[in-house]
Amino acid sequence: EDKVVQSPLSLVVHEGDTVTLNCSYEVTNFRSLLWYKQEKKAPTFLFMLTSSGIEKKSGRLSSILDKKELFSILNITATQTGDSAVYLCATNAGGTSYGKLTFGQGTILTVHP
Amino acid sequence: EAQVTQNPRYLITVTGKKLTVTCSQNMNHEYMSWYRQDPGLGLRQIYYSMNVEVTDKGDVPEGYKVSRKEKRNFPLILESPSPNQTSLYFCASSFLVGDTQYFGPGTRLTVL
Repeated sequence: EDKVVQSPLSLVVHEGDTVTLNCSYEVTNFRSLLWYKQEKKAPTFLFMLTSSGIEKKSGRLSSILDKKELFSILNITATQTGDSAVYLCATNAGGTSYGKLTFGQGTILTVHP
Repeated sequence: EAQVTQNPRYLITVTGKKLTVTCSQNMNHEYMSWYRQDPGLGLRQIYYSMNVEVTDKGDVPEGYKVSRKEKRNFPLILESPSPNQTSLYFCASSFLVGDTQYFGPGTRLTVL
């Protein structure tokens, strides 16, 4: 059974801090890993990662994948209160399970002013 | 405006009464998917569809049915809802698997 585990489950920081969110996975026929941000509504897409060692960046957010050690990290620098959200990691399988997405439990990030 | 719509947004029903949650997208996406979200469990995939007439089970398909007769619609059917299906449900679509997924606004279902 495919498994995605995120850590920490919850994180409280102050504005300006840098945070690192972790996502480890055990997936048969791994194809890609995706990060989403969920505020008080539906998730919004952040990144898709398919290759090891290639950093994806968007403003203060960046993410990298390690396919050998089976994990990904999401970094947020100079955090702002607007970064407060649940961050979800998901893996996409290939082969006969192509199309199947497995999500982690999410990391709840709270940024205080 | 590109969007995924779900109806109803909120539903309270009783055990055993069949219900359908509709999902529609206007982006000509091939891939559509249903998820449920429960506290502490993240999102769990119920069913997904790669294209018209092609559907597959996700991680938690028991008690649910889907159909994909047209590209734009992907309804979720609960033939005999039970209280353990009380949850927040999201429909999502993307052009291809792994592409940016667009999520609907969610349907909060309570089964008494």
